[in-house]
Amino acid sequence: ELKVEQNPLFLSMQEGKNYTIYCNYSTTSDRLYWYRQDPGKSLESLFVLLSNGAVKQEGRLMASLDTKARLSTLHITAAVHDLSATYFCAVAEYGNKLVFGAGTILRVKS
Amino acid sequence: DSGVTQTPKHLITATGQRVTLRCSPRSGDLSVYWYQQSLDQGLQFLIQYYNGEERAKGNILERFSAQQFPDLHSELNLSSLELGDSALYFCASSEQSSYNEQFFGPGTRLTVL
Repeated sequence: ELKVEQNPLFLSMQEGKNYTIYCNYSTTSDRLYWYRQDPGKSLESLFVLLSNGAVKQEGRLMASLDTKARLSTLHITAAVHDLSATYFCAVAEYGNKLVFGAGTILRVKS
Repeated sequence: DSGVTQTPKHLITATGQRVTLRCSPRSGDLSVYWYQQSLDQGLQFLIQYYNGEERAKGNILERFSAQQFPDLHSELNLSSLELGDSALYFCASSEQSSYNEQFFGPGTRLTVL
């Protein structure tokens, strides 16, 4: 059974600082997704990572995938308050079933 | 806006009752997925339909059922509701059955009293 672990589960950081969220998964998969969720809202797709070594960047967020280590990272550069949200990684199991991590609650303090 | 629509947005009902949640996928998407989000279980995959047929099943209770209609909209039926069924239910859609990004609807918040 595929398990997905995120850490940390809660992250409080100052504006302007850098930090990384980690996502480990237990079995082989060729697709990993990062989503953002604001309180009471839906899931917004951030990144789709399809191959080993894939790196994608959008604004202050950069995601990478190491399929051999079964590890993905979401790096936040020079955090701003607008990035405050919950971030989920999700790994695709057989077919297109997504298994989600527990989520990382990010709070950026000004 | 992902293009996936769900109704109703909120639903409050009593234990033992039955409710139906509705989802319309993005135009052109053939696959529909249902997920449940709760504080204790997190985000869990329930079931997937592709072009009217069930494709994958997850941790879906026997009291829950779903279907996808010829016009590709989907309904999730929840019966004999219990307090623990209170959750946010998301529908997502993708173009094909596999290897396609899933786009999530706004969700239906179900409260069972």
